[in-house]
Amino acid sequence: GIQVEQSPPDLILQEGANSTLRCNFSDSVNNLQWFHQNPWGQLINLFYIPSGTKQNGRLSATTVATERYSLLYISSSQTTDSGVYFCAAPNYGGSQGNLIFGKGTKLSVKP
Amino acid sequence: EAQVTQNPRYLITVTGKKLTVTCSQNMNHEYMSWYRQDPGLGLRQIYYSMNVEVTDKGDVPEGYKVSRKEKRNFPLILESPSPNQTSLYFCASSPRGQGLYEQYFGPGTRLTVT
Repeated sequence: GIQVEQSPPDLILQEGANSTLRCNFSDSVNNLQWFHQNPWGQLINLFYIPSGTKQNGRLSATTVATERYSLLYISSSQTTDSGVYFCAAPNYGGSQGNLIFGKGTKLSVKP
Repeated sequence: EAQVTQNPRYLITVTGKKLTVTCSQNMNHEYMSWYRQDPGLGLRQIYYSMNVEVTDKGDVPEGYKVSRKEKRNFPLILESPSPNQTSLYFCASSPRGQGLYEQYFGPGTRLTVT
């Protein structure tokens, strides 16, 4: 099945700094999602981005499907951005349709 | 507001006492599934449903049951919970299955079995 790898595993930023999180995947995908898991455990949908670039406020994401990677950009980081960021891609090969998650990037934004 | 809801959000129970975690979505999605999240193991799918009355095992189905009698609801049943089912559980839905559409996750249910 598909493998999803994220880097870096941990990231510490000062408030106001910018960052780039990377997601590599082993197979072609028609679906790639980014999530933020906040300190309370909730999984928040950030982007559904099988290809191209999307922006939502201070966050943007780019997926280059032909090269099998996606990037999540966080600009002017805030303490509320802290948490774990996951990318996920579907495990094709049947009707199961489950998402395979990377191990995540744990982001800590210091005031 | 389009959303996936789960109840309860937190639950502490004892070994062997049957429990049900409810999941409901208001987006008319055909596909629903359950995941559990454990440290070091990530998120793993427990069961999924392609539509009403169509359910199938995911990667870690042992000790769980599900049903899909209505399109909007997909409850997760633990007939005899054990401590190794202590976990954070997520329900998810998408318009259809096969991983072709965006999946939306509920807020999670933190279960502790003592």
